[in-house]
Amino acid sequence: QKEVEQDPGPLSVPEGAIVSLNCTYSNSAFQYFMWYRQYSRKGPELLMYTYSSGNKEDGRFTAQVDKSSKYISLFIRDSQPSDSATYLCASSISNFGNEKLTFGTGTRLTIIP
Amino acid sequence: GAGVSQSPSNKVTEKGKDVELRCDPISGHTALYWYRQSLGQGLEFLIYFQGNSAPDKSGLPSDRFSAERTGGSVSTLTIQRTQQEDSAVYLCASSLERDRKGGYTFGSGTRLTVV
Repeated sequence: QKEVEQDPGPLSVPEGAIVSLNCTYSNSAFQYFMWYRQYSRKGPELLMYTYSSGNKEDGRFTAQVDKSSKYISLFIRDSQPSDSATYLCASSISNFGNEKLTFGTGTRLTIIP
Repeated sequence: GAGVSQSPSNKVTEKGKDVELRCDPISGHTALYWYRQSLGQGLEFLIYFQGNSAPDKSGLPSDRFSAERTGGSVSTLTIQRTQQEDSAVYLCASSLERDRKGGYTFGSGTRLTVV
């Protein structure tokens, strides 16, 4: 079993819809949770970063962590065709650079105009 | 530099040849990572550098893979006697050691195709 599980999709939704992307994890020591966005033929870029449980909002994006159920979510409101990308969740125990991130396999998202 | 730079961006090589992939991290970032991304497989950790030393090379898949880092900056990933299963996108990332600020910064990757 992978430490971070993510449904690979693909997921297609119409423009303007709310998108929900999810991951589960098994390591209860994880404290830091990230979402990366990866456009085709580009490297992943950090989209959202949260510590412990709770919500974090940035524009149209909301990251949610529920440590009791080991569930990580990313919500995208008013989805745009430019949001079409692969979204990867990642987790770690610390915020130190000497600890590698554990990634999910990524969910490919397409927003249909 | 402003971002993590990787070269070449694409590499096609014949089976059995050796290849070198280069990563130039963000200036001042002492932590450097190599990952491999295969279709549908997610990001697979290969090796981590702290300065010029590699305290974690547990992800290197075989002894055909090696990496080095010089001057606490540029890193080279070398694959000897390439095989078709080595075809993937090789991603490099860097961060500060004491505060990763959430995550690494990735380069755009080197797309390796072994024919």
